[in-house]
Amino acid sequence: GGIITQTPKFLIGQEGQKLTLKCQQNFNHDTMYWYRQDSGKGLRLIYYSITENDLQKGDLSEGYDASREKKSSFSLTVTSAQKNEMAVFLCASSIRTASAETLYFGSGTRLTVL
Amino acid sequence: GDSVTQTEGLVTVTEGLPVKLNCTYQTTYLTIAFFWYVQYLNEAPQVLLKSSTDNKRTEHQGFHATLHKSSSSFHLQKSSAQLSDSALYYCALSDHKEDNYAQGLTFGLGTRVSVFP
Repeated sequence: GGIITQTPKFLIGQEGQKLTLKCQQNFNHDTMYWYRQDSGKGLRLIYYSITENDLQKGDLSEGYDASREKKSSFSLTVTSAQKNEMAVFLCASSIRTASAETLYFGSGTRLTVL
Repeated sequence: GDSVTQTEGLVTVTEGLPVKLNCTYQTTYLTIAFFWYVQYLNEAPQVLLKSSTDNKRTEHQGFHATLHKSSSSFHLQKSSAQLSDSALYYCALSDHKEDNYAQGLTFGLGTRVSVFP
């Protein structure tokens, strides 16, 4: 088995601030993902990365940057936090395969912007 | 693009009674598999069921779902709900796009299940 660790668990920021969320996985998975979870809006893909130094935009990439410096870690940056924004950011990983993939998720970083 | 529709935002059920969560989908790509994920309070989403075979029933932890491509559906059911089933449930699909590799999952909006004694 493996685990996905997201830090911090809670993040409070100010409007306009740049905020960075971190994710580590020890599954040795190729692909990593960042999803945003809003109440009533499901999980929406922000960025994903199929290997070290690769980045692919998801449907919700505007306002975010990502970085995959090594296979086990994937960072997400909120480039300018929006006032009253509240969401949970979920990191996930999977093997890279031509068949169906199961994503394994971390417990999330809960963001609050004052 | 893909879309997954979960018609119920909240389902309330009495313990011991059956529960059904609806999931339908639309896709323009070669869809490979369908999933149900469950997320308990303050925990990570985890896979509950996975299926890629048309008309085959898949079961796990008392839940079951059958993929019906003819009706584009993958409904989740349980014959007897338990208090511990209270959670948020997501239906999701995985498909292949241009490079023949899956590119993450497309999720529905989620259905919250509350089981009452």
